[in-house]
Amino acid sequence: GAGVSQSPSNKVTEKGKDVELRCDPISGHTALYWYRQSLGQGLEFLIYFQGNSAPDKSGLPSDRFSAERTGGSVSTLTIQRTQQEDSAVYLCASIRDAMADTQYFGPGTRLTVL
Amino acid sequence: AQKITQTQPGMFVQEKEAVTLDCTYDTSDQSYGLFWYKQPSSGEMIFLIYQGSYDEQNATEGRYSLNFQKARKSANLVISASQLGDSAMYFCAMRDRGAQKLVFGQGTRLTINP
Repeated sequence: GAGVSQSPSNKVTEKGKDVELRCDPISGHTALYWYRQSLGQGLEFLIYFQGNSAPDKSGLPSDRFSAERTGGSVSTLTIQRTQQEDSAVYLCASIRDAMADTQYFGPGTRLTVL
Repeated sequence: AQKITQTQPGMFVQEKEAVTLDCTYDTSDQSYGLFWYKQPSSGEMIFLIYQGSYDEQNATEGRYSLNFQKARKSANLVISASQLGDSAMYFCAMRDRGAQKLVFGQGTRLTINP
């Protein structure tokens, strides 16, 4: 596909369970971002990957959140021991390279923690 | 710290009228980029327009234009001849050259009335 894809589109889980969210960036894009959008709010930066550099994890809200990017392409965001306040839409974006300007977003994963 | 302010939580406009969505920003950097994204009810973030801080001309993309007033630190989005399909949330965002993440405003919900 031409755009950023994310899976699943919706995830309902019980408090305390772990979840994994997946992002497939645009082919050839070297940089990848994760954002979180709580209901009625703007987007909150979580983590950034650029090539083989160490990721910028400065936006991760707690140590329950982690992310990895394998082979410089697909990324997985993992939330351990989910809490109700983790309920949000998780958006992934990719960018051609560090000097490019425009981030292209995927459709997001809506996470609901019961 | 970078900050984006969108002071209009909601806007209601008649179809075919022009509409201006306000955005002000705060940064100490001289080099930065400003973005507008549209988020329809489907949830995907759609890139609309980009303005670099050193661009002398206001950016335009079809019916979208960005009214960039650097001294006032404002980057308002103008939509000409609004259409029903323009109804959505609109987010203003900024990226400093020294950073990689986008900082988003809280958004403006635009409703186009027939």
